[in-house]
Amino acid sequence: QVQLVQSGAEVRKPGASVKVSCKASGYTFSNHFIYWVRQAPGQGLHWMGVINPSDGTTTYAQRFQGRLIMTGDTSTSTVYMELNSLRSEDTAVYYCGRMNYFYSVDVWGQGTTVTVSS
Amino acid sequence: QSALTQPASVSGSPGQSITISCTGSSSDVGAFNYVSWYQQHPGKVPKLIIHEVTNRPSGVSNRFSGSKSGNTASLTISGLQAEDEADYYCSSYTSSYTLVFGGGTKLTVL
Repeated sequence: QVQLVQSGAEVRKPGASVKVSCKASGYTFSNHFIYWVRQAPGQGLHWMGVINPSDGTTTYAQRFQGRLIMTGDTSTSTVYMELNSLRSEDTAVYYCGRMNYFYSVDVWGQGTTVTVSS
Repeated sequence: QSALTQPASVSGSPGQSITISCTGSSSDVGAFNYVSWYQQHPGKVPKLIIHEVTNRPSGVSNRFSGSKSGNTASLTISGLQAEDEADYYCSSYTSSYTLVFGGGTKLTVL
């Protein structure tokens, strides 16, 4: 079945970086863009960016420009989201999601909790 | 890019219908028919229930329907059931080649 499996929870200190993985299976990896979306505790969904796994092109939300890097590895059907210069406000659940139809997420990863605390 | 505007909460009794609005601008909701709706139960992963304004993915109940007029999209849930109690989010593609979500609406089934 189609699924996205993310890496486990992370704890980081302010100023550090975190890299979260998202491994796809059950479909042709290069045929679907991957979104990253985060959700702070008790808050709503926020779109972070998108990567085209077939060629690695990315688009990031303006608020993350300069701190966010998305990469992909077609040999392992895995995409990565790296967020740098972490601050407490980055504490959230981070989701990857497969884009399908037009700009919708039809399959979600299970989420990765990232906690930023000194 | 500002978040799309949704009411913070709505409520209804079992069997009734409710509508959740999602207001954007001429750069997002008004510009494209690329509005999606997601349902999220507490502690769970979001679930796609409407894509491209009006389309339901396979397996989603036909009690969920979507529409759009100008810069405002709407999600209607008919025949409310207890299991519909959840948070609902809209999203839209934007003219900046990005995606934007609404702030979310908490649905309470009385």
